[in-house]
Amino acid sequence: DTEVTQTPKHLVMGMTNKKSLKCEQHMGHRAMYWYKQKAKKPPELMFVYSYEKLSINESVPSRFSPECPNSSLLNLHLHALQPEDSALYLCASSGQGNSPLHFGNGTRLTVT
Amino acid sequence: RKEVEQDPGPFNVPEGATVAFNCTYSNSASQSFFWYRQDCRKEPKLLMSVYSSGNEDGRFTAQVDKSSKYISLFIRDSQPSDSATYLCVVGNSGYALNFGKGTSLLVTP
Repeated sequence: DTEVTQTPKHLVMGMTNKKSLKCEQHMGHRAMYWYKQKAKKPPELMFVYSYEKLSINESVPSRFSPECPNSSLLNLHLHALQPEDSALYLCASSGQGNSPLHFGNGTRLTVT
Repeated sequence: RKEVEQDPGPFNVPEGATVAFNCTYSNSASQSFFWYRQDCRKEPKLLMSVYSSGNEDGRFTAQVDKSSKYISLFIRDSQPSDSATYLCVVGNSGYALNFGKGTSLLVTP
């Protein structure tokens, strides 16, 4: 069982929709991450929050908007996505720097 | 040049074989090293951290040679349930981790 919980597991949305992905962890980790993974590729880092502040944004388009309401929660707001944004979106958390990542089981997103 | 490089495979081996995965990294300041396992359409799961002195967990042994920037993972007595993609992950400073592209393993009964 994963200690990082993501909802929803699957999401289908049109290009004009607005939706949000949610992530929760109760391991006391102070760093939380969003990754995007396409088939047969490794995860690609999108955002890192450290102590609830955005510390890394890997030049992600503004149609993806992260939010960290508190140390346990991480959201990813989606608006006006493109079909090529269809992918597995993975949330992860970690302790101090150089600690391993603990991934949630992901949201499989399809943009139609 | 990519920061973390792995042979993509696939490695097709018979049950019981010993498998060796290798990974190289480019940043000599790298401080943390991990192997993850990812099953098809699932999230990556931490298999083991890799310590400077080398470490073992059951059938799995991991090593890092910082002088040659080389990381290895050995699986002894491989089982069909070991079939998955194995990701080499390297951390520098801070929170950013670099993933290799992964090596695909298929263990046939």
